[in-house]
Amino acid sequence: QKEVEQNSGPLSVPEGAIASLNCTYSDRGSQSFFWYRQYSGKSPELIMSIYSNGDKEDGRFTAQLNKASQYVSLLIRDSQPSDSATYLCAAHSASKIIFGSGTRLSIRP
Amino acid sequence: DAGVTQSPTHLIKTRGQQVTLRCSPKSGHDTVSWYQQALGQGPQFIFQYYEEEERQRGNFPDRFSGHQFPNYSSELNVNALLLGDSALYLCASSSLAGGLANTGELFFGEGSRLTVL
Repeated sequence: QKEVEQNSGPLSVPEGAIASLNCTYSDRGSQSFFWYRQYSGKSPELIMSIYSNGDKEDGRFTAQLNKASQYVSLLIRDSQPSDSATYLCAAHSASKIIFGSGTRLSIRP
Repeated sequence: DAGVTQSPTHLIKTRGQQVTLRCSPKSGHDTVSWYQQALGQGPQFIFQYYEEEERQRGNFPDRFSGHQFPNYSSELNVNALLLGDSALYLCASSSLAGGLANTGELFFGEGSRLTVL
């Protein structure tokens, strides 16, 4: 079992709609969770971090964490073509950051 | 404020050769982590350096080694290169100041793309 699992996609969402990205993790001891965005040919950049159960909002982005279900999600409202990228979920596990394989998101005009 | 810098950006090696990749962390950061990212995959953790010591290691063979210098910069060395070592090698910096609970937000360099022929 992978430590952090994501659907690879591609996930295709119309412009202006809500994109929903999901992630599960295996280490119940993980306390911190992150979403990184990676454009093709570029390095990952941090867009959200979440440490407590519930929702955390930052602009058009909302991260959700459910530790009981070992589930993390990212919602992107009013999706824009510039949101087309691979989204990497990451968990802080045993003092290291472990990444999922990423979900490719495509926003269609 | 300089971000994370890596060199070289691209390089081509042949099987059996050795390679050294370099990384300078973001100003104020003291921890460097190295990741390997194959095409279409997420970054795989290689190891982490803090206070010039390897603190954590992922599931990589001993052919992968590293070093951290007193100025917090770091090197990744790979010996006896295999075709499967072809990947993007990412350096990420962070700060352990305040304890491990505050770590986790990684800042990545642009990576070194290694091709092994």
